[in-house]
Amino acid sequence: EPEVTQTPSHQVTQMGQEVILRCVPISNHLYFYWYRQILGQKVEFLVSFYNNEISEKSEIFDDQFSVERPDGSNFTLKIRSTKLEDSAMYFCASSERYGGNYEQYFGPGTRLTVT
Amino acid sequence: KNQVEQSPQSLIILEGKNCTLQCNYTVSPFSNLRWYKQDTGRGPVSLTIMTFSENTKSNGRYTATLDADTKQSSLHITASQLSDSASYICVVSRNNYGQNFVFGPGTRLSVLP
Repeated sequence: EPEVTQTPSHQVTQMGQEVILRCVPISNHLYFYWYRQILGQKVEFLVSFYNNEISEKSEIFDDQFSVERPDGSNFTLKIRSTKLEDSAMYFCASSERYGGNYEQYFGPGTRLTVT
Repeated sequence: KNQVEQSPQSLIILEGKNCTLQCNYTVSPFSNLRWYKQDTGRGPVSLTIMTFSENTKSNGRYTATLDADTKQSSLHITASQLSDSASYICVVSRNNYGQNFVFGPGTRLSVLP
């Protein structure tokens, strides 16, 4: 069964450094998402992406974040200058269509630790 | 403020028993409501999706209900199994396109033998 994959599974970085989290969505999916989950807290929506553009973003997704689809398979989240509070699990998701009734399939997540 | 609340925070049941998890939301506008199962350290997996016009939906042993008037939903698990031990998350999308999601804090379910 097709699945969303994410790399790396765990990333440790120093405060102020840039990190890129990578995701490979399901191949026939057109819509992509990033979420984060701080340890012990609820999942938070960051951004949705379609046709090489951001469709929607939350208040969390400020100027230090960016997303990109550099090729036909990868979808990346870049954090320009990491802060301690960026430490969280980051989940990528994809869906076949745009709209509320379509399932989103989540990847296993990347645990980001900022020291 | 757009919020999703869930109760109980955690629940312990014996294998084979049924249980019901609750979700209340104040999200507006409402597009749809989803229930997800999240195993520890894994991404959420969709169980059900309900729009405004649907008041019940089943997926195997999982049955979700929605009362859009009172802004409440429940997830009923029948004949629980050890593998049902996970967090169950209620998620409400807040626009017509359904892409901006508000997550609840989840209910941590433990099924004991």
